[in-house]
Amino acid sequence: DTGVSQNPRHKITKRGQNVTFRCDPISEHNRLYWYRQTLGQGPEFLTYFQNEAQLEKSRLLSDRFSAERPKGSFSTLEIQRTEQGDSAMYLCASSLDGGNTEAFFGQGTRLTVV
Amino acid sequence: AQSVTQLDSQVPVFEEAPVELRCNYSSSVSVYLFWYVQYPNQGLQLLLKYLSGSTLVKGINGFEAEFNKSQTSFHLRKPSVHISDTAEYFCAVSDHLGDKLIFGTGTRLQVFP
Repeated sequence: DTGVSQNPRHKITKRGQNVTFRCDPISEHNRLYWYRQTLGQGPEFLTYFQNEAQLEKSRLLSDRFSAERPKGSFSTLEIQRTEQGDSAMYLCASSLDGGNTEAFFGQGTRLTVV
Repeated sequence: AQSVTQLDSQVPVFEEAPVELRCNYSSSVSVYLFWYVQYPNQGLQLLLKYLSGSTLVKGINGFEAEFNKSQTSFHLRKPSVHISDTAEYFCAVSDHLGDKLIFGTGTRLQVFP
């Protein structure tokens, strides 16, 4: 197992376009998290899944954002009608059972909206 | 609501000198505390965590942190830094009811030869 994998690593898109990112967690991990990190800031929580169920969404997750985790394995994060303010690093993490066990992070997808 | 404050946005230090990166938190419930390191163009790597028990926690790469409940602090220390420790360091907190992490704004540690 090579850890949490995120694709693509970098994405440049024009304002108004839709983008989709993928996260493959560590195989036995049942919890999956999405965070957003802007320049000079710490990661901010967006949403998380327990298996295929999306259990919590931050108010940062506007209606242009949607996340899915079909079959409780990989997850996708889609941003519709991208805006320049969406430019950030999008981080995915996974953990086993929650309960404050260690979360393992992927290397992130850096989105640039021009 | 939980929050984390990292007062120092940048900490410059010479190689082999000791370093302390400060972290203060606020929470209305019991907390679990973490330090993560982020190297350029990399994801976050866990350095150490405090869940319960001994307030002095030892982590990887020679780092340690001390949980101080009365001062609501969880400062990170290393007695002698290396050039390779140059990175961004994030303190984070979570409560025992959920797993999402609340991060501070980070401290950039820059080690000079």
